[in-house]
Amino acid sequence: GAGVSQSPSNKVTEKGKDVELRCDPISGHTALYWYRQRLGQGLEFLIYFQGNSAPDKSGLPSDRFSAERTGESVSTLTIQRTQQEDSAVYLCASSFFPDEGYTFGSGTRLTVV
Amino acid sequence: ELKVEQNPLFLSMQEGKNYTIYCNYSTTSDRLYWYRQDPGKSLESLFVLLSNGAVKQEGRLMASLDTKARLSTLHITAAVHDLSATYFCAAPTQGGSEKLVFGKGTKLTVNP
Repeated sequence: GAGVSQSPSNKVTEKGKDVELRCDPISGHTALYWYRQRLGQGLEFLIYFQGNSAPDKSGLPSDRFSAERTGESVSTLTIQRTQQEDSAVYLCASSFFPDEGYTFGSGTRLTVV
Repeated sequence: ELKVEQNPLFLSMQEGKNYTIYCNYSTTSDRLYWYRQDPGKSLESLFVLLSNGAVKQEGRLMASLDTKARLSTLHITAAVHDLSATYFCAAPTQGGSEKLVFGKGTKLTVNP
């Protein structure tokens, strides 16, 4: 596609529920990254995919967070048993060649009530 | 561990004035990225700086990179209200994931 697409754009969920966030990267981009941005803060790295593998999961804050990528394309970030501190904007970025930069999606704003 | 620091974190300036935002990073990196973020929006790529001494300009913004000093600057010339936004710099970790490590951002407000 023309850009990185994320869905849903907004998600309100009750504490304790599971949520799935989706990222559709630019076609052909082999590298995919998930970031989290809390209100008024910078971006925190969560996980990196190269193809369908995730060689760097060092940013996942707890075992409630997991992610997968299939077909070297769509990625899903799953948060189980959501907590209020999970409220944030979750951003996805993809890249083919870093010299060309990293393109970010519009994000999913997650609110846990 | 790569750390990226920006200053200032908040910048209020008048239209027509010039100012510079500084971005320091802690370990060797050969590239540096600048992004703009408007409230409630995602990140828009501004500049990709690929080598020591790189300088890029777009309108009233100019970015430069000094890899020896581990410093990048974003210079604003004759600011206008439309430049009001938060500006982030980011450096990639070397090898492996090359994930971007971001500064905390500089919130720029340009007043008439």
